[in-house]
Amino acid sequence: QKEVEQNSGPLSVPEGAIASLNCTYSDRGSQSFFWYRQYSGKSPELIMSIYSNGDKEDGRFTAQLNKASQYVSLLIRDSQPSDSATYLCAVKTSYDKVIFGPGTSLSVIP
Amino acid sequence: DVKVTQSSRYLVKRTGEKVFLECVQDMDHENMFWYRQDPGLGLRLIYFSYDVKMKEKGDIPEGYSVSREKKERFSLILESASTNQTSMYLCASSDRVHGYTFGSGTRLTVV
Repeated sequence: QKEVEQNSGPLSVPEGAIASLNCTYSDRGSQSFFWYRQYSGKSPELIMSIYSNGDKEDGRFTAQLNKASQYVSLLIRDSQPSDSATYLCAVKTSYDKVIFGPGTSLSVIP
Repeated sequence: DVKVTQSSRYLVKRTGEKVFLECVQDMDHENMFWYRQDPGLGLRLIYFSYDVKMKEKGDIPEGYSVSREKKERFSLILESASTNQTSMYLCASSDRVHGYTFGSGTRLTVV
């Protein structure tokens, strides 16, 4: 089992819809979780951090964490074409190492 | 508002050359990292450092070395560049708690 897994996509959603990106992890002791956005040819940019169970909202973005299910998700409301990018899930494990998932490619169709 | 600076955006080097990739951060972070990113392989950790003059091997250190003489600067060295080291190289820094801040990346081509 890979340490951090994501659906590779591509995920296509119409403009204005909710995009849902999912991530699972294997280390039950993990405590810190991050979402990065990476535009084609650019470097990853941190957009959300979440450390406790539940939801964390920042503008159109909501991160959700369920440690019992070892699952973290990112919801993007009112998706815009400018949200089209690859989204990387990253998990800081119990042995203090950050593991990146392979990324999910999101395409928002106008 | 640039916080992690990589010295070159694009670089072309010849096989066998010694290559230096420089990274500087202005956030006083203890931790610095070098990754390479290739299509279909994701981000792979080459080396990291948690303190000045300290370095640790990541998942793919072969063919690389690093130097951290000052807290703000972390250099990646390709001892003898090979074509399979053609890649996007990403430097990142962080404190103990928060996520990484990445530099803009260096796209290295070895011919």
